[in-house]
Amino acid sequence: GAVVSQHPSRVICKSGTSVKIECRSLDFQATTMFWYRQFPKQSLMLMATSNEGSKATYEQGVEKDKFLINHASLTLSTLTVTSAHPEDSSFYICSARDPTRGTNTEAFFGQGTRLTVV
Amino acid sequence: GIQVEQSPPDLILQEGANSTLRCNFSDSVNNLQWFHQNPWGQLINLFYIPSGTKQNGRLSATTVATERYSLLYISSSQTTDSGVYFCAVGTFGNEKLTFGTGTRLTIIP
Repeated sequence: GAVVSQHPSRVICKSGTSVKIECRSLDFQATTMFWYRQFPKQSLMLMATSNEGSKATYEQGVEKDKFLINHASLTLSTLTVTSAHPEDSSFYICSARDPTRGTNTEAFFGQGTRLTVV
Repeated sequence: GIQVEQSPPDLILQEGANSTLRCNFSDSVNNLQWFHQNPWGQLINLFYIPSGTKQNGRLSATTVATERYSLLYISSSQTTDSGVYFCAVGTFGNEKLTFGTGTRLTIIP
């Protein structure tokens, strides 16, 4: 299957600081990547769709100025949590598909990033 | 948007038992995947199964798209099967996945 790598796997930061999370497709190029958030004992909720070379598309209720997404290359999307607060503590995970396999095929996920804001 | 419900929400079984997890969705889909989320949070792809039946070792899955449900079968459960199982669906013309509510499976030795 296609490999998606996410870094870091765990990060602790102070309130008010910013944190950048990277999502890489290792063996394919991805024009689109997806960012999800998961609170403890809950399901995964889509935050935004990252589009290579253009602006990200955010889901309703997600603050685009707080969660900055950059998809500068076909293998890298980044999510920056700006001015983090304790309520931003969560598990963030990205996914991508290999477009050479066709449209709407199997999605693969990164390892996830557990963010703790203190 | 599409609603995805999984049942049961929690399941506790003895090692060696069999289990059936269900995923109901409210609209037509052209993508359905089953995942196992391990204790570290990583999502392990189990099946890509928008329709039909697939088997992989002790696991198998069936999706009846016309009736809007999918089933995941786990036979001869092992303690390593413990974790949360999610189904996720995608609809026509939309690449994003909507996740179900999850089933937390605990296998007791």
